[in-house]
Amino acid sequence: GESVGLHLPTLSVQEGDNSIINCAYSNSASDYFIWYKQESGKGPQFIIDIRSNMDKRQGQRVTVLLNKTVKHLSLQIAATQPGDSAVYFCAERFGNEKLTFGTGTRLTIIP
Amino acid sequence: GAGVSQSPSNKVTEKGKDVELRCDPISGHTALYWYRQSLGQGLEFLIYFQGNSAPDKSGLPSDRFSAERTGGSVSTLTIQRTQQEDSAVYLCASTRSGVYNEQFFGPGTRLTVL
Repeated sequence: GESVGLHLPTLSVQEGDNSIINCAYSNSASDYFIWYKQESGKGPQFIIDIRSNMDKRQGQRVTVLLNKTVKHLSLQIAATQPGDSAVYFCAERFGNEKLTFGTGTRLTIIP
Repeated sequence: GAGVSQSPSNKVTEKGKDVELRCDPISGHTALYWYRQSLGQGLEFLIYFQGNSAPDKSGLPSDRFSAERTGGSVSTLTIQRTQQEDSAVYLCASTRSGVYNEQFFGPGTRLTVL
């Protein structure tokens, strides 16, 4: 769902460990999903996307998992690095409608 | 251009004044979005332009907010009679037509209303 006036949940992970960021989306008809990374003072940047006809997609050190049964999306980051510290947003879209963003999660990598 | 650009990068204004924020989307992108992001919070959808269709204004918080997109390219977000609670970063994003296309975000305009 949309994030309006909500404080961000946080996740702290030791450098080198894997992290999993979760997102519950709102529209069961959504057919496209994206994960964005936002570093301090910058606009969100695309990480990885997945279409609804898939349940897993892998990128470089990142994996997105989609569970349509429970409307759940997750982002796995392997071997986390200090540069992974950021706010991560999931987003969903149905057809050509507007992209709807989730609340966001602040990930902190502990050296 | 290479990416979405926004101007100004920072804007400080006095309460009650009007402000205009500009967004230059990536050339050829038919869809354009405006979002607001308060400090430490998520993205609040404001308005969405898609080609020649009527814009989706469902996210505009009050009638003090308006936006237009001229010639299907540059967009201007106008806030009239600014209030302190309008202070935030205003982000613009654009995308190509079609369903499976990511949004590209600009760097944002940080608005401070004194």
